[in-house]
Amino acid sequence: DVKVTQSSRYLVKRTGEKVFLECVQDMDHENMFWYRQDPGLGLRLIYFSYDVKMKEKGDIPEGYSVSREKKERFSLILESASTNQTSMYLCASSLSSRGYEQYFGPGTRLTVT
Amino acid sequence: LAKTTQPISMDSYEGQEVNITCSHNNIATNDYITWYQQFPSQGPRFIIQGYKTKVTNEVASLFIPADRKSSTLSLPRVSLSDTAVYYCLVGELKMNRDDKIIFGKGTRLHILP
Repeated sequence: DVKVTQSSRYLVKRTGEKVFLECVQDMDHENMFWYRQDPGLGLRLIYFSYDVKMKEKGDIPEGYSVSREKKERFSLILESASTNQTSMYLCASSLSSRGYEQYFGPGTRLTVT
Repeated sequence: LAKTTQPISMDSYEGQEVNITCSHNNIATNDYITWYQQFPSQGPRFIIQGYKTKVTNEVASLFIPADRKSSTLSLPRVSLSDTAVYYCLVGELKMNRDDKIIFGKGTRLHILP
């Protein structure tokens, strides 16, 4: 079974803090993704990566950056957390280049106060 | 990316077969059809993916007519634990800046005892 793990299930941070969300997958997948999910807005793609050190912006990259130094690890960085970044953050990975077969982690519920 | 339309919600009873239809009139030649299941406070779970005709796995079946303008996810003999949101995605994972992975609002399936 594909396993995608995220560093925290729940996180509370203060406005202005730098926040790191870590994601690790154990299936040697080339592609990794970061989404956020908010009530009424569904899942929205923040960034994705198709190889080590490669990244592409998704639909809502503003206020975020990413890092992929190793194939199995994809980090999402909130440079200066704001209250509007309170959300559920979901990491996913995929191997297939066909369709949208992705495997998601359990999510990190981030609250910025 | 093909736009998809699926019912906002459905109710069914335990033990019945449930069919959820997704319309995707502008599906492109290389697009695949992918379905996910999501429980509250969890990441989406990949269920099934297909290109044409019928695909079956241990969880569900996916029926795709010849024109590929719609697809039907079939869940055999549902139980209360199948209560979840089901998402239909249509597209080809290109892994470039033009890729738009859109989950939409999904279908909220409620299984009754």
